[in-house]
Amino acid sequence: EIVLTQSPGTLSLSPGERATLSCRASQSVSSSYLAWYQQKPGQAPRLLIYGASSRATGIPDRFSGSGSGTDLTLTISRLEPEDFAVYYCQQYGSSSWTFGQGTKVEIK
Amino acid sequence: QLQLQESGPGLVKPSETLSLTCTVSGDSISSGSYYCGWIRQPPGKGLEWIGSIYYSGSTYYNPSLKSRVTMSVDPSKNQFSLKLNSVTAVDTAVYYCAKTPDYHYYMDVWGTGTTVTVSS
Repeated sequence: EIVLTQSPGTLSLSPGERATLSCRASQSVSSSYLAWYQQKPGQAPRLLIYGASSRATGIPDRFSGSGSGTDLTLTISRLEPEDFAVYYCQQYGSSSWTFGQGTKVEIK
Repeated sequence: QLQLQESGPGLVKPSETLSLTCTVSGDSISSGSYYCGWIRQPPGKGLEWIGSIYYSGSTYYNPSLKSRVTMSVDPSKNQFSLKLNSVTAVDTAVYYCAKTPDYHYYMDVWGTGTTVTVSS
């Protein structure tokens, strides 16, 4: 089973700042099988990025995904007030899906 | 626009079976090519994939839960179902169903989730 480890656990930033979130896989994963989600309190997760770097429908271009192999990155270029939330990476492999443990982006 | 909605008992006794339904609206299960995934989230914790079922009925389960999980599909009711047996307090969570398009590996439409508490 591929394990995804996200860092940092919590990111404290101010609106307008750049956020860089990391997701490391325990073994190499195809970019096609990688996704990022945003979750706000009391809400279901929302798909942000799929295929490691493609934005889902309606997702602003301040969100971008990059990376390959074992290291993925989600970047939010300029944080808006609505971006403070928890972010999860997800991978698919060997007929199984796994999620990282999440990174909380909080207001500094 | 396709929507998913989970439903089922909010309280289940220890050792009993948790049974949930995911009702699809805005599309017919029989006409679509996609998976329905079940994901859960214990209070204050992260997301855990439970398993996924293809619209044709093929199933894929989390190895850690496989011995207790059964998923099924009922095209006549446009519903997917989840059963988790021998539940304990650690199965207390918000349970989500989510759609994965065929030939893709992400979950693009999620239900709102339903809270299940395991307690006597």
